[in-house]
Amino acid sequence: EAGVTQSPTHLIKTRGQQVTLRCSPISGHTSVYWYQQALGLGLQFLLWYDEGEERNRGNFPPRFSGRQFPNYSSELNVNALELEDSALYLCASSFAGTRSNQPQHFGDGTRLSIL
Amino acid sequence: SQQGEEDPQALSIQEGENATMNCSYKTSINNLQWYRQNSGRGLVHLILIRSNEREKHSGRLRVTLDTSKKSSSLLITASRAADTASYFCATRYGGYQKVTFGIGTKLQVIP
Repeated sequence: EAGVTQSPTHLIKTRGQQVTLRCSPISGHTSVYWYQQALGLGLQFLLWYDEGEERNRGNFPPRFSGRQFPNYSSELNVNALELEDSALYLCASSFAGTRSNQPQHFGDGTRLSIL
Repeated sequence: SQQGEEDPQALSIQEGENATMNCSYKTSINNLQWYRQNSGRGLVHLILIRSNEREKHSGRLRVTLDTSKKSSSLLITASRAADTASYFCATRYGGYQKVTFGIGTKLQVIP
């Protein structure tokens, strides 16, 4: 069974640019979660999509946005990049989010560096 | 603020010893999960314990949950160098099934 895949693995951008990160969930999973992990810090919840709808959002500015496609893959978009956006962006998937006793399965992340 | 907080933030032990990590949280939960993260990689799910369970085992892992104290512990017995990683607890709570991670315990197992 293929795991959660994220692309690209590494990305270097400059301040003010825009970036799109991609995530393919495990087959059968309808929920996709995005997290930001800055160096040495814990995971900060960004977004949760389920069945194509945004279900919940963390405390991030509107320049962080995303969407989920009919095949349940997802994109995370970040506009007007700032230096503090440098982090590992992790995507996770699970069976429907309403089935609360389902673990999340993580990809290996996209390392985003802002110069 | 983070729902879960792990303690200690860092732990260094010799191979073969047991490692205990603790997690405290603030609000009532549906379940609590423990994850492992090797350096720079994604998280790997280790074990899930429901709010009505008190103890759960998986191989060398033992998790306890005390809902009255809003705390959980993860015990790794007979540790190995390969157990070196960061360990996170995650709590699922609320009507929107939020999942919140702590800042993690960094475990180093010295061969």
